[in-house]
Amino acid sequence: AQTVTQSQPEMSVQEAETVTLSCTYDTSESDYYLFWYKQPPSRQMILVIRQEAYKQQNATENRFSVNFQKAAKSFSLKISDSQLGDAAMYFCAYRSGFGNEKLTFGTGTRLTIIP
Amino acid sequence: DTGVSQDPRHKITKRGQNVTFRCDPISEHNRLYWYRQTLGQGPEFLTYFQNEAQLEKSRLLSDRFSAERPKGSFSTLEIQRTEQGDSAMYLCASRGPDRGPKNLHFGNGTRLTVT
Repeated sequence: AQTVTQSQPEMSVQEAETVTLSCTYDTSESDYYLFWYKQPPSRQMILVIRQEAYKQQNATENRFSVNFQKAAKSFSLKISDSQLGDAAMYFCAYRSGFGNEKLTFGTGTRLTIIP
Repeated sequence: DTGVSQDPRHKITKRGQNVTFRCDPISEHNRLYWYRQTLGQGPEFLTYFQNEAQLEKSRLLSDRFSAERPKGSFSTLEIQRTEQGDSAMYLCASRGPDRGPKNLHFGNGTRLTVT
């Protein structure tokens, strides 16, 4: 079974600075997808960024980028120019590429932005 | 696009009672998912529907849990003989046939408290 580990329960960063959230995963599959989701307080979960395992190039979405290290099974999220609206729980998630619809989530990292 | 709607937002029930939650996905979305999120944890997959067919079901979905999507539109999740361990946020998500990266939409969840 696949597992996703987020070893940082909480992180904080000064506004406008850069922060990196860590995620490692365990799988024996070769085809899979990795995701970072954001869950603001009392609000719905939204997708931040996604990475296909077969792609070597790291995904980027505006201020959000990932460092995908397939051999090390590591998938970190970098948030540049942090903004107050970035404060949320961030979840790393895994989905098999073989027609499986299930997302496996990590335990999350609570990100606090310091004004 | 009115988003994924879940009802009720909060439910408090006594142990042993039955509860039912409803999820209305985005209208053109044929895939619907239920997840459970306990405090301090990431969401855990419960079940998945494609149209009215329940195609995946987690071992977490014990015989006290049942989910339906009778006409391929809204879905209900029923918990019979609730236990204190059922206290959690129940999340619904939906997506259409296009496997685009931003295509999975989550609702705001139903928070269940079993006393």
